[in-house]
Amino acid sequence: DTAVSQTPKYLVTQMGNDKSIKCEQNLGHDTMYWYKQDSKKFLKIMFSYNNKELIINETVPNRFSPKSPDKAHLNLHINSLELGDSAVYFCASSLRGQQFFGPGTRLTVL
Amino acid sequence: DQQVKQNSPSLSVQEGRISILNCDYTNSMFDYFLWYKKYPAEGPTFLISISSIKDKNEDGRFTVFLNKSAKHLSLHIVPSQPGDSAVYFCASNTPLVFGKGTRLSVIA
Repeated sequence: DTAVSQTPKYLVTQMGNDKSIKCEQNLGHDTMYWYKQDSKKFLKIMFSYNNKELIINETVPNRFSPKSPDKAHLNLHINSLELGDSAVYFCASSLRGQQFFGPGTRLTVL
Repeated sequence: DQQVKQNSPSLSVQEGRISILNCDYTNSMFDYFLWYKKYPAEGPTFLISISSIKDKNEDGRFTVFLNKSAKHLSLHIVPSQPGDSAVYFCASNTPLVFGKGTRLSVIA
């Protein structure tokens, strides 16, 4: 009965590949997010969706494409992976400003 | 350009003593702040928040203080316990900006 879940937990792949990370929340929240935590440990917002609609899109390469099939899911697809994409990616949902985070997906691009 | 800054990357405190984690922000329009706690290999979890209409919010051992004129907030943990050892992130809500985090180690 995990509140915000992400799969996979670890992802190791070669440069140039395309990969997806899935996120699901069972909290009934309307807003979901993707964050990137890089090697310097900064936690930066990438995207935010409210009721399946994109509301925040920070300066992120267009190789990153979020997809929200319904309110409970926000998946992240990354095309043509680069070395600099290696990071931990966190999904989150929110209620009244409070973020509920998933456990993270550690992506390593070789 | 960091809008939310946590200038101390780490802090060590003896068990039972007070832990004080600091956070500064640059934008006076920020009006709601949150603290999150993160254990290794887990996502951050919400700890406590404060609105700019208050200067203090308390929840058990955790108290957050906000000094709007100084654009500074701090998280006090008293008494500190070994289980408090984690990385603590300060964040503003609008816009969503996180500090770099401070690693707290509580020594038994």
